[in-house]
Amino acid sequence: AQSVTQLGSHVSVSEGALVLLRCNYSSSVPPYLFWYVQYPNQGLQLLLKYTSAATLVKGINGFEAEFKKSETSFHLTKPSAHMSDAAEYFCAVSHTGGFKTIFGAGTRLFVKA
Amino acid sequence: DAGVIQSPRHEVTEMGQEVTLRCKPISGHDYLFWYRQTMMRGLELLIYFNNNVPIDDSGMPEDRFSAKMPNASFSTLKIQPSEPRDSAVYFCASSNAQARVNGYTFGSGTRLTVV
Repeated sequence: AQSVTQLGSHVSVSEGALVLLRCNYSSSVPPYLFWYVQYPNQGLQLLLKYTSAATLVKGINGFEAEFKKSETSFHLTKPSAHMSDAAEYFCAVSHTGGFKTIFGAGTRLFVKA
Repeated sequence: DAGVIQSPRHEVTEMGQEVTLRCKPISGHDYLFWYRQTMMRGLELLIYFNNNVPIDDSGMPEDRFSAKMPNASFSTLKIQPSEPRDSAVYFCASSNAQARVNGYTFGSGTRLTVV
C-alpha cells in the first residue's frame, strides 16, 4: 500500500533563505507523486507532480522537487523564500489500486522577515 | 472555468440537525472526491465518484454520512444527525480520467461547526 511521510510538521525559514520540505514515500510500484499548497482559508492547489518523465520537477512559484528512487524521497525546495510562501504544504501519492490520492500530514512553512 | 465551487463556505449548526454540503465540479471532469480535513486526522478521503457513480465509500465514517451525485455537475454530502465531532473543513475535488497522473482541483471548502 502507498503512503507518504512528511518530516516536520512546522518549518521556519528567513526570507531569502533556502526552503526544504521533506517527503518520503512508500510504494511497491513506481509512484505518481505530488506536492500541493494550501493557503489560509483556501483549498489545496497543485504545486507540481512527478509522473516518471523527469526526476527533477519544476512547479509554480519557483518550487521544484527531485524524485530519488534510492532514497524513496520527493523533497520540495525553493532557493529563496518569500513571505508569500507561508502556507501549508502537502506531499501526496496516487494509489495504484484506483484513483485515490493519499496525502501526508502536511508541513506548515513560516517565513520570517 | 470557475473551478470547483462549494457551498456554503461556512456552516454553523446545532447538534442533531441535518447538514447538506454542495459541490459543483469542473465541467468535463468525471471524477469527484469528498475529503474531510481536521487538525487531528489531516486530510481523509470520504468517498469518490466516477461518472456520477460512487466507486469507493470506505472512508465514510458512519451511516450518518451520505453522498450523492445526481448528475455530472452537482454532488451533495449530507450528515444526519450532525454531531460536534463532525466539525471540520470539508473539501470537494474533481479531476478528469487522468486523475492519477494530473492530480486534483480542489474547491475552497466548507467549514462546518456543530455546536
